[in-house]
Amino acid sequence: DIQMTQSPSSLSASVGDRVTITCRASLSISKNLNWYQQKAGKAPKVLIYAASSLQSGVPSRFSGSGSGTDFTLTISSLQAEDFATYYCQQSYNIPYTFGQGTKLEIK
Amino acid sequence: QVQLQQSGPGLVKPSETLSLTCTVSGGSFSAYYWTWIRQPAGKALEWIGRIYNDGSTDYNPSLQSRVTMSVETSKNQFSLKLNSVTAADTAVYYCATVTTSSTGNWFDPWGQGTLVTVSS
Repeated sequence: DIQMTQSPSSLSASVGDRVTITCRASLSISKNLNWYQQKAGKAPKVLIYAASSLQSGVPSRFSGSGSGTDFTLTISSLQAEDFATYYCQQSYNIPYTFGQGTKLEIK
Repeated sequence: QVQLQQSGPGLVKPSETLSLTCTVSGGSFSAYYWTWIRQPAGKALEWIGRIYNDGSTDYNPSLQSRVTMSVETSKNQFSLKLNSVTAADTAVYYCATVTTSSTGNWFDPWGQGTLVTVSS
């Protein structure tokens, strides 16, 4: 299985901050990397697919980059509604695997 | 716009079979394929498997011996069965649509989630 490692596991930030979350794959996955946002008690929602494509309806303050084994999710200016847990997920190989999550909390 | 509605019991006894169904509305059932994912409380997401409209499947090897997925195209439904459950199978179970493009595939949208507790 491809292991997905996110860092940090948790992060405290303030409204208006720029935040970056990283995800590393245990082997090259080209650009087959997706990012999801999950709020408490809710299903995850896709933000970014194919490493850098913004899902329709997702605010442009979210962006993704990377290829191969190293990827980043950036939120350019945090809003109150962005405090949530974020997961990366590889769709390169079966079984699909997720990172362990990054919990973004209000400072 | 595709919407997924999950149904099934929230409590299953140890050694018995967990059964969940996902009903698809608002889109062409045959245009997508389907997946199940679970999440134990406070933990990360785990992919269980996927099923195509022709009934072909891919399962996570960690669960393969206990999982069966099926599709009922006439009802726009797909289902999950997990047998011989233990407390370790207690989790929120999600169904989701696998959206595909030339650049990859991703899960969107998702069902609302079903908390399944394994307990006697």
